[in-house]
Amino acid sequence: DQQVKQNSPSLSVQEGRISILNCDYTNSMFDYFLWYKKYPAEGPTFLISISSIKDKNEDGRFTVFLNKSAKHLSLHIVPSQPGDSAVYFCAASANSGGSNYKLTFGKGTLLTVNP
Amino acid sequence: DGGITQSPKYLFRKEGQNVTLSCEQNLNHDAMYWYRQDPGQGLRLIYYSQIVNDFQKGDIAEGYSVSREKKESFPLTVTSAQKNPTAFYLCASSIWKTRKSYNEQFFGPGTRLTVL
Repeated sequence: DQQVKQNSPSLSVQEGRISILNCDYTNSMFDYFLWYKKYPAEGPTFLISISSIKDKNEDGRFTVFLNKSAKHLSLHIVPSQPGDSAVYFCAASANSGGSNYKLTFGKGTLLTVNP
Repeated sequence: DGGITQSPKYLFRKEGQNVTLSCEQNLNHDAMYWYRQDPGQGLRLIYYSQIVNDFQKGDIAEGYSVSREKKESFPLTVTSAQKNPTAFYLCASSIWKTRKSYNEQFFGPGTRLTVL
């Protein structure tokens, strides 16, 4: 059973427009969420995160929104740039015994930003 | 310049052979992890280690083994018992926090293993 779902395998947007990547989760114990960006044949790079006590976190062009009641989070990239073209993974973590180790990943969304 | 290194980037082995993937970090992180990525799939946790000389199975540990003799190193052996070893393998590390907190994992560049 997939606990973190990214239902859109791919997304294509025009340069300068907004990119919105979505992620849904089923485990109500998840209390920390992360977005990673990955280029082909490279390791994922941490992008932005959000704790469950917040509903928004912003870092430059990247904003993550969390809707706990809907068990949904989204990553907004504004404005989108061709260099943002990559696979984006949503990941979630549940505090366990006071420490936090396991990240559960979605399957990823391939974002293509067209010039 | 701190980071995580994995070598080699590409690895080919014959079926039935064991193969060991290297992972080294100089971030002074306590915890290290091994993930596997298959096409169209997310990352799945194989093994993780919180401290030296200790490690635990992840979600898909069967057919794999690890060791953690040094803080900086966490090699993964893909044994002949692993039924589908061809995949992209990623090593990660993080600070291990013992109080309620969150760990951001930093990833290496990955090793693509192909078993012929």
